[in-house]
Amino acid sequence: AQSVTQLGSHVSVSEGALVLLRCNYSSSVPPYLFWYVQYPNQGLQLLLKYTTGATLVKGINGFEAEFKKSETSFHLTKPSAHMSDAAEYFCAVSAGNMLTFGGGTRLMVKP
Amino acid sequence: GAGVSQSPSNKVTEKGKDVELRCDPISGHTALYWYRQSLGQGLEFLIYFQGNSAPDKSGLPSDRFSAERTGGSVSTLTIQRTQQEDSAVYLCASSLLRSRVGSNEKLFFGSGTQLSVL
Repeated sequence: AQSVTQLGSHVSVSEGALVLLRCNYSSSVPPYLFWYVQYPNQGLQLLLKYTTGATLVKGINGFEAEFKKSETSFHLTKPSAHMSDAAEYFCAVSAGNMLTFGGGTRLMVKP
Repeated sequence: GAGVSQSPSNKVTEKGKDVELRCDPISGHTALYWYRQSLGQGLEFLIYFQGNSAPDKSGLPSDRFSAERTGGSVSTLTIQRTQQEDSAVYLCASSLLRSRVGSNEKLFFGSGTQLSVL
Protein backbone atom coordinates (compact mmCIF):
# COMPACT_ATOMS: atom_id res chain seq x y z
CA ALA A 1 0.00 0.00 0.00
CA GLN A 2 1.13 3.53 -0.60
CA SER A 3 -0.14 6.97 0.23
CA VAL A 4 0.79 10.60 -0.23
CA THR A 5 0.15 13.53 2.07
CA GLN A 6 0.58 17.11 0.98
CA LEU A 7 0.65 19.50 3.90
CA GLY A 8 -1.31 22.64 3.18
CA SER A 9 -4.04 22.70 0.57
CA HIS A 10 -3.23 26.39 -0.04
CA VAL A 11 0.13 28.13 0.11
CA SER A 12 0.58 31.85 -0.47
CA VAL A 13 3.95 33.50 -1.08
CA SER A 14 5.12 36.88 -2.29
CA GLU A 15 6.77 37.24 -5.66
CA GLY A 16 10.48 36.62 -5.24
CA ALA A 17 10.06 34.61 -2.04
CA LEU A 18 11.01 31.00 -1.48
CA VAL A 19 8.46 28.40 -2.51
CA LEU A 20 8.21 25.28 -0.33
CA LEU A 21 5.51 22.71 -0.99
CA ARG A 22 5.56 19.74 1.34
CA CYS A 23 5.01 16.12 0.43
CA ASN A 24 5.31 13.04 2.61
CA TYR A 25 4.70 9.53 1.41
CA SER A 26 4.40 6.01 2.66
CA SER A 27 5.36 2.99 0.64
CA SER A 28 6.16 -0.62 1.35
CA VAL A 29 8.73 -0.74 -1.46
CA PRO A 30 11.26 1.79 -2.73
CA PRO A 31 9.12 4.47 -4.35
CA TYR A 32 9.31 6.52 -7.45
CA LEU A 33 8.20 10.06 -6.68
CA PHE A 34 6.76 12.79 -8.86
CA TRP A 35 5.59 16.36 -8.82
CA TYR A 36 2.96 17.46 -11.32
CA VAL A 37 1.68 20.97 -11.96
CA GLN A 38 -1.73 21.97 -13.25
CA TYR A 39 -2.05 25.52 -14.53
CA PRO A 40 -5.54 27.00 -14.77
CA ASN A 41 -7.59 25.44 -17.56
CA GLN A 42 -4.75 23.13 -18.56
CA GLY A 43 -3.91 19.48 -18.10
CA LEU A 44 -1.31 18.12 -15.74
CA GLN A 45 2.35 18.48 -16.59
CA LEU A 46 5.25 16.60 -15.09
CA LEU A 47 7.55 18.95 -13.17
CA LEU A 48 10.13 16.43 -12.05
CA LYS A 49 10.54 12.89 -10.85
CA TYR A 50 12.81 10.78 -8.69
CA THR A 51 13.45 7.17 -9.61
CA THR A 52 16.97 6.21 -8.62
CA GLY A 53 20.33 7.90 -8.24
CA ALA A 54 20.82 11.47 -7.09
CA THR A 55 18.34 12.43 -4.43
CA LEU A 56 18.19 16.09 -5.47
CA VAL A 57 16.15 16.31 -8.62
CA LYS A 58 15.89 19.37 -10.80
CA GLY A 59 12.82 20.03 -12.89
CA ILE A 60 11.39 22.59 -15.21
CA ASN A 61 10.86 26.27 -14.41
CA GLY A 62 13.51 26.34 -11.69
CA PHE A 63 11.82 23.83 -9.38
CA GLU A 64 13.67 21.11 -7.55
CA ALA A 65 12.87 18.44 -5.00
CA GLU A 66 14.92 16.33 -2.65
CA PHE A 67 14.14 12.73 -1.79
CA LYS A 68 14.80 12.12 1.90
CA LYS A 69 14.25 8.49 2.71
CA SER A 70 14.75 8.94 6.45
CA GLU A 71 11.99 11.54 6.51
CA THR A 72 9.85 9.88 3.82
CA SER A 73 9.62 13.28 2.21
CA PHE A 74 9.86 14.76 -1.27
CA HIS A 75 9.35 18.49 -0.76
CA LEU A 76 9.24 20.81 -3.77
CA THR A 77 11.17 24.08 -3.67
CA LYS A 78 11.95 27.09 -5.82
CA PRO A 79 14.25 29.88 -4.62
CA SER A 80 12.23 32.75 -6.06
CA ALA A 81 8.53 32.66 -6.91
CA HIS A 82 7.16 34.17 -10.09
CA MET A 83 3.59 35.19 -10.72
CA SER A 84 3.45 32.53 -13.42
CA ASP A 85 4.05 29.81 -10.82
CA ALA A 86 0.50 30.19 -9.51
CA ALA A 87 -1.05 26.78 -10.07
CA GLU A 88 -2.09 23.53 -8.40
CA TYR A 89 0.77 21.18 -7.55
CA PHE A 90 0.38 17.44 -7.04
CA CYS A 91 2.85 15.06 -5.45
CA ALA A 92 2.57 11.43 -6.51
CA VAL A 93 4.15 8.11 -5.63
CA SER A 94 4.51 4.97 -7.67
CA ALA A 95 5.41 1.75 -5.90
CA GLY A 96 4.11 -0.92 -8.19
CA ASN A 97 1.36 -0.69 -10.70
CA MET A 98 -0.42 2.30 -9.20
CA LEU A 99 0.29 5.98 -9.28
CA THR A 100 -1.15 7.58 -6.16
CA PHE A 101 -1.61 11.33 -5.95
CA GLY A 102 -1.71 13.62 -2.98
CA GLY A 103 -4.54 16.03 -2.40
CA GLY A 104 -2.82 18.88 -4.17
CA THR A 105 -1.55 22.27 -3.02
CA ARG A 106 -2.75 25.47 -4.61
CA LEU A 107 0.11 27.96 -4.83
CA MET A 108 -0.83 31.63 -4.86
CA VAL A 109 1.79 34.27 -5.65
CA LYS A 110 1.23 37.82 -4.43
CA PRO A 111 2.76 40.77 -6.24
CA GLY B 1 -2.10 13.86 -32.47
CA ALA B 2 0.46 15.95 -30.70
CA GLY B 3 -1.02 15.38 -27.26
CA VAL B 4 -3.72 13.56 -25.35
CA SER B 5 -7.08 14.81 -26.47
CA GLN B 6 -10.25 14.59 -24.44
CA SER B 7 -13.78 15.39 -25.45
CA PRO B 8 -15.99 17.03 -24.61
CA SER B 9 -14.11 19.61 -22.58
CA ASN B 10 -17.30 20.38 -20.68
CA LYS B 11 -20.42 18.31 -20.16
CA VAL B 12 -23.52 19.32 -18.26
CA THR B 13 -26.08 16.61 -17.74
CA GLU B 14 -29.13 15.87 -15.67
CA LYS B 15 -29.14 13.41 -12.84
CA GLY B 16 -29.99 9.94 -14.09
CA LYS B 17 -28.69 10.42 -17.62
CA ASP B 18 -25.82 8.44 -19.10
CA VAL B 19 -22.65 10.17 -20.31
CA GLU B 20 -19.69 9.12 -22.41
CA LEU B 21 -16.29 10.71 -22.11
CA ARG B 22 -13.70 10.17 -24.80
CA CYS B 23 -9.93 10.05 -24.71
CA ASP B 24 -7.57 10.01 -27.68
CA PRO B 25 -4.11 9.11 -26.41
CA ILE B 26 -0.87 9.99 -28.10
CA SER B 27 -0.37 7.77 -31.13
CA GLY B 28 1.61 4.67 -30.25
CA HIS B 29 1.07 4.89 -26.49
CA THR B 30 0.05 1.49 -25.20
CA ALA B 31 -0.86 2.49 -21.66
CA LEU B 32 -3.89 4.66 -20.93
CA TYR B 33 -5.20 5.86 -17.59
CA TRP B 34 -8.36 7.49 -16.33
CA TYR B 35 -8.33 9.69 -13.22
CA ARG B 36 -10.97 11.81 -11.55
CA GLN B 37 -10.45 15.07 -9.72
CA SER B 38 -13.36 16.13 -7.58
CA LEU B 39 -13.65 19.64 -6.19
CA GLY B 40 -11.32 19.98 -3.22
CA GLN B 41 -10.01 16.45 -3.64
CA GLY B 42 -6.84 14.99 -5.05
CA LEU B 43 -6.59 12.89 -8.12
CA GLU B 44 -8.41 9.58 -7.86
CA PHE B 45 -7.31 6.63 -9.97
CA LEU B 46 -10.14 4.99 -11.86
CA ILE B 47 -8.77 2.47 -14.35
CA TYR B 48 -5.87 1.79 -16.64
CA PHE B 49 -5.49 -0.04 -19.93
CA GLN B 50 -2.57 -1.92 -21.34
CA GLY B 51 -3.48 -2.16 -24.98
CA ASN B 52 -7.15 -3.02 -25.04
CA SER B 53 -7.23 -4.87 -21.75
CA ALA B 54 -7.85 -3.38 -18.33
CA PRO B 55 -5.90 -5.37 -15.74
CA ASP B 56 -6.77 -2.97 -12.95
CA LYS B 57 -10.36 -1.81 -12.53
CA SER B 58 -10.08 -1.38 -8.79
CA GLY B 59 -10.58 2.35 -8.87
CA LEU B 60 -13.98 2.41 -10.53
CA PRO B 61 -16.27 3.81 -7.81
CA SER B 62 -19.35 1.79 -8.69
CA ASP B 63 -20.85 -0.50 -11.31
CA ARG B 64 -22.31 2.58 -12.99
CA PHE B 65 -18.81 3.27 -14.27
CA SER B 66 -17.31 1.35 -17.16
CA ALA B 67 -14.58 1.92 -19.69
CA GLU B 68 -13.39 0.38 -22.86
CA ARG B 69 -10.57 0.83 -25.29
CA THR B 70 -10.61 -0.23 -28.89
CA GLY B 71 -7.79 -0.73 -31.36
CA GLY B 72 -5.29 0.06 -28.66
CA SER B 73 -6.14 3.70 -29.11
CA VAL B 74 -9.32 5.59 -28.23
CA SER B 75 -10.91 4.98 -24.85
CA THR B 76 -14.41 5.76 -23.66
CA LEU B 77 -15.42 6.17 -20.04
CA THR B 78 -19.15 5.67 -19.56
CA ILE B 79 -21.10 6.71 -16.51
CA GLN B 80 -24.65 5.38 -16.32
CA ARG B 81 -27.44 6.98 -14.33
CA THR B 82 -25.25 9.89 -13.31
CA GLN B 83 -25.44 11.23 -9.78
CA GLN B 84 -24.47 14.65 -8.47
CA GLU B 85 -21.44 13.18 -6.71
CA ASP B 86 -20.11 12.18 -10.14
CA SER B 87 -19.44 15.86 -10.87
CA ALA B 88 -15.69 16.21 -11.32
CA VAL B 89 -12.94 16.70 -13.84
CA TYR B 90 -12.14 13.43 -15.56
CA LEU B 91 -8.53 13.24 -16.70
CA CYS B 92 -7.02 10.84 -19.18
CA ALA B 93 -3.32 10.13 -19.47
CA SER B 94 -1.19 7.93 -21.67
CA SER B 95 2.34 6.63 -21.72
CA LEU B 96 4.41 4.74 -24.20
CA LEU B 97 4.90 1.62 -22.14
CA ARG B 98 3.57 0.10 -18.99
CA SER B 99 6.26 -1.58 -16.96
CA ARG B 100 6.39 0.13 -13.65
CA VAL B 101 4.49 3.39 -13.67
CA GLY B 102 6.78 6.26 -14.44
CA SER B 103 10.04 4.33 -14.31
CA ASN B 104 11.34 5.83 -17.47
CA GLU B 105 7.99 6.57 -18.92
CA LYS B 106 6.46 9.96 -18.83
CA LEU B 107 2.75 10.31 -18.38
CA PHE B 108 1.06 12.73 -20.71
CA PHE B 109 -2.24 14.15 -19.50
CA GLY B 110 -5.15 15.56 -21.40
CA SER B 111 -6.89 18.76 -20.33
CA GLY B 112 -9.79 16.83 -18.87
CA THR B 113 -13.55 16.79 -19.17
CA GLN B 114 -15.44 18.91 -16.67
CA LEU B 115 -18.59 16.95 -15.85
CA SER B 116 -21.41 18.71 -14.06
CA VAL B 117 -24.44 16.71 -12.97
CA LEU B 118 -27.41 18.87 -12.10
